[in-house]
Amino acid sequence: EVQLVESGGGFVQPGGSLRLSCVASGFTIRGYSMNWVRQAPGKGLEWIAYISSSDNTIYYADSVKGRFTISRDNAKDSLYLHMNSLRADDTGVYYCAKEGAFVGFNPWGQGTLVTVSS
Amino acid sequence: EIVLTQSPDTLSLSPGERATLSCKASQSFDSIYLAWYQQKPGQAPRLLIYGASKRATGIPDRFSGSGSGTDFTLIISRLEPEDFALYYCQQYGSSPRAFGQGTKVEIK
Repeated sequence: EVQLVESGGGFVQPGGSLRLSCVASGFTIRGYSMNWVRQAPGKGLEWIAYISSSDNTIYYADSVKGRFTISRDNAKDSLYLHMNSLRADDTGVYYCAKEGAFVGFNPWGQGTLVTVSS
Repeated sequence: EIVLTQSPDTLSLSPGERATLSCKASQSFDSIYLAWYQQKPGQAPRLLIYGASKRATGIPDRFSGSGSGTDFTLIISRLEPEDFALYYCQQYGSSPRAFGQGTKVEIK
């Protein structure tokens, strides 16, 4: 079965850091662009980061630029999101998603919850 | 930066009725980069439509997408009980890979 599984979420104080991981099974992420998308409680989907298959191209949403870093390890079929200087408005469920050429985001992981609070 | 605006915010319909969801972009883009997703409470989004009109694997044919340029539409021809959910459009041809704010399809 093709799936993505996120981990690393949790409770952190403002200003703290977390590293999220996303592991693929049933397929290899090599050759695919990958994304992180988050969803604040009761809110819509917010795309936050993209990394191309070759690492050559990385994009961030303005809301996380300079604080978050996306990276990947193709040998481990893993995607990462390093989050620093966390704020209360970073609270939400974080999803990883594979981006196929011209075919949108599919599949998505089940999400991991990040709560930033004092 | 492309901004997507969905309408209506909420659609109240009965099972068996037809649902028409709109997604309008702030600037024109290639329709091969337009997707629709369904999300149910407590679940991850699921890809329904990509390339504006192509159904993803396993998606019933009561779901159809159309449009080009700045105007896109998702139609659910006859609502089944499991179709009551949130729906998002997205463009994935440029960054930021923006989502619309979502349309909630609720039972009337």
